[in-house]
Amino acid sequence: NAGVTQTPKFRILKIGQSMTLQCTQDMNHNYMYWYRQDPGMGLKLIYYSVGAGITDKGEVPNGYNVSRSTTEDFPLRLELAAPSQTSVYFCASSYGQGNEKLFFGSGTQLSVL
Amino acid sequence: GESVGLHLPTLSVQEGDNSIINCAYSNSASDYFIWYKQESGKGPQFIIDIRSNMDKRQGQRVTVLLNKTVKHLSLQIAATQPGDSAVYFCAESPTGANNLFFGTGTRLTVIP
Repeated sequence: NAGVTQTPKFRILKIGQSMTLQCTQDMNHNYMYWYRQDPGMGLKLIYYSVGAGITDKGEVPNGYNVSRSTTEDFPLRLELAAPSQTSVYFCASSYGQGNEKLFFGSGTQLSVL
Repeated sequence: GESVGLHLPTLSVQEGDNSIINCAYSNSASDYFIWYKQESGKGPQFIIDIRSNMDKRQGQRVTVLLNKTVKHLSLQIAATQPGDSAVYFCAESPTGANNLFFGTGTRLTVIP
């Protein structure tokens, strides 16, 4: 199993541009998450999904959108990139509820200039 | 929001010594706690977890202690090795929550 795979690993955007961060998992996990990690800080939850077709906001959802059309994929969309969205983004998944062990991808480092 | 914090942002230990990383949490409704290790440029990696019905749980070279009275969590690493150098995060999940709340992390540096 590849686990949780994120693409791209690095990206530079100009203010106002849009992009989609891709995330896929091959563990047949029901729950998937997007976190952002600012320098020297812990992870903040952006959005999560408890299954295909269901998404919910986390702590910091503004400026982002998600979709969950399949169990495997959970893309994160930035519509109008802002410098405040410069961060490292991590996708994660878990089999059961969110209060169980999460498996993380390797991250996407995004800079908005 | 949740408040999960650490007592020390950095910790340096000699190779072979034991390490203790501490974490305070504020939500008495949290019933699940977990420690992650994050190496530079990588995603967090699971180390060990514990539920609130336990006080202690041991893994390979690691032990997690939970003191619910003072809302304190600690990670003990025995015989610390250079490969243990990383940032360690604690996280908590309140009962019924669908996600984890992470602390800011402690950077552990192992001195050869």
